[in-house]
Amino acid sequence: QKEVEQNSGPLSVPEGAIASLNCTYSDRGSQSFFWYRQYSGKSPELIMSIYSNGDKEDGRFTAQLNKASQYVSLLIRDSQPSDSATYLCAVRNDYKLSFGAGTTVTVRA
Amino acid sequence: EAGVVQSPRYKIIEKKQPVAFWCNPISGHNTLYWYRQNLGQGPELLIRYENEEAVDDSQLPKDRFSAERLKGVDSTLKIQPAELGDSAVYLCASSFLAGSYNEQFFGPGTRLTVL
Repeated sequence: QKEVEQNSGPLSVPEGAIASLNCTYSDRGSQSFFWYRQYSGKSPELIMSIYSNGDKEDGRFTAQLNKASQYVSLLIRDSQPSDSATYLCAVRNDYKLSFGAGTTVTVRA
Repeated sequence: EAGVVQSPRYKIIEKKQPVAFWCNPISGHNTLYWYRQNLGQGPELLIRYENEEAVDDSQLPKDRFSAERLKGVDSTLKIQPAELGDSAVYLCASSFLAGSYNEQFFGPGTRLTVL
């Protein structure tokens, strides 16, 4: 079992819609959770961090964490063409950050 | 504030040749990481430094890979000799206080192609 698993893409959404990305992790002791955005040919860019159960909102992005279910999600509201990218879920356990393989999102104009 | 700086951005070498990558972290960040990212996958940690000490090098292929961070600031990752399977993007990241939230910020990466 992989440490971090993300729903397989690609995910295609129309402009203005909500994109929903899911991530599960195997280590129940994981402490911090992150979403990175990676444009094609670029490096990962940190867009959201979440540490406690519940929702965290930042602009059009909402991260949700459920430690009991070992589940993290990212919602992108009012999706824009500029949101087209691969989104990486990362989970920290002790000092190690483990990444999922990413979900590629395409926003159709 | 300047981000993580890496050089070169691209490198093409023939197999069995040596190659080196350089990274300068965000000012004040005491923790530095080297990752390797293969196509279609997430980054995988190679080595983590806290100041000048390599505190986690368990994933570094020590027969051909080496790294140093002599003064606790910039760092060099070396491969000698390179193999075809080493073709990947090598990412450097840094963070402040590894024991806290550990938000890591990545540099632009070095895309290595081994022919």
